Amino acid sequence: DTAVSQTPKYLVTQMGNDKSIKCEQNLGHDTMYWYKQDSKKFLKIMFSYNNKELIINETVPNRFSPKSPDKAHLNLHINSLELGDSAVYFCASSQGDLDNEQFFGPGTRLTVL
Amino acid sequence: AQRVTQPEKLLSVFKGAPVELKCNYSYSGSPELFWYVQYSRQRLQLLLRHISRESIKGFTADLNKGETSFHLKKPFAQEEDSAMYYCALSGLGSARQLTFGSGTQLTVLP
Repeated sequence: DTAVSQTPKYLVTQMGNDKSIKCEQNLGHDTMYWYKQDSKKFLKIMFSYNNKELIINETVPNRFSPKSPDKAHLNLHINSLELGDSAVYFCASSQGDLDNEQFFGPGTRLTVL
Repeated sequence: AQRVTQPEKLLSVFKGAPVELKCNYSYSGSPELFWYVQYSRQRLQLLLRHISRESIKGFTADLNKGETSFHLKKPFAQEEDSAMYYCALSGLGSARQLTFGSGTQLTVLP
């Protein structure tokens, strides 16, 4: 009955590789998000997405791209991974305009070697 | 632009002592303010939001528009309160995405 789930939980990969992190929510929410939590625990929005609008934080490199096959999924694709991409990535969802309380996934710890 | 400031990165108190985690914000409209908590190796979860005006786990937070603050308070801290606390702000329209503060790591000592 997990509300927001992410896979994998841990991801270790080499520089230059391309990887994806999957996110699914079963709350029926309209809006999904990706956040990056760096080594200092600073949490920063990367994307927010609903079926109408994709909002991209302008500081996010274009190597990062969200892909939403349907309303319940928002996957994160990362091309040409760099050392600085190592972080914990959190997916979240909310009802969007109706209620902005966000429900978070457990996080994916990405380590780039 | 939205901005949230949590001036204390680390805060330690003894069990039973009062605790206040500070949060100041900058936003030109009427914001919605939240406190999220992240216990060790767990996901972020909502602790409370200003519109509900509830007390959760003994914590309260009052929105002070004059001082643009939303400080989190608890009169008697417990060891299980030890966690990372994030203050967050949401605006209107496309600004409804959350802007988080840098977080305060609270440690409650026995």
